[in-house]
Amino acid sequence: EAQVTQNPRYLITVTGKKLTVTCSQNMNHEYMSWYRQDPGLGLRQIYYSMNVEVTDKGDVPEGYKVSRKEKRNFPLILESPSPNQTSLYFCASSLRVPYNEQFFGPGTRLTVL
Amino acid sequence: AQSVTQLDSQVPVFEEAPVELRCNYSSSVSVYLFWYVQYPNQGLQLLLKYLSGSTLVKGINGFEAEFNKSQTSFHLRKPSVHISDTAEYFCAVSKGIQGAQKLVFGQGTRLTINP
Repeated sequence: EAQVTQNPRYLITVTGKKLTVTCSQNMNHEYMSWYRQDPGLGLRQIYYSMNVEVTDKGDVPEGYKVSRKEKRNFPLILESPSPNQTSLYFCASSLRVPYNEQFFGPGTRLTVL
Repeated sequence: AQSVTQLDSQVPVFEEAPVELRCNYSSSVSVYLFWYVQYPNQGLQLLLKYLSGSTLVKGINGFEAEFNKSQTSFHLRKPSVHISDTAEYFCAVSKGIQGAQKLVFGQGTRLTINP
């Protein structure tokens, strides 16, 4: 089944403890992206990647890192999480933007205490 | 910077009634426009998109949207809604082919269908 998977789905952590949220797609898509969703703000793009080893900042990249060493994986790294990074995170992938649909993962709900 | 405004945060309607969800964008260049739907506790799913050509775009589940360049709007409509349409709807824009990798979303409109 074609899909985007994220792990973990739920995570509660403490300020300053490094964490990684994984994202994987099995559709051989070149484009991948991370978003955060906050009430009243919609989704905001954190980072995106046009292909392996090619990443760039979205609108809210501060406090996040990404890497794209393999086509299928695009992990999101929070080196030192803070409470303002408490949010719902979505990973998405697409064969070719904007012509092809972005497929979204199920989301990761992160709480930073 | 481009922005997207969804004029209604919540829209309650009765089942089988028509609905319109409004979306305005700001951009001085050509844009691509999208509507996504998010059902409770799920990720987003594409409803429809406008890239070029006919300004009336038809999507899944009976939804359609009209691109109005002069009013910089891309309103979503459905002539008769069903209980299963209860969800949050997001309008999004990307800036032409050179900016297609950056997608800007509106704040979302929560559509509630009452029996």
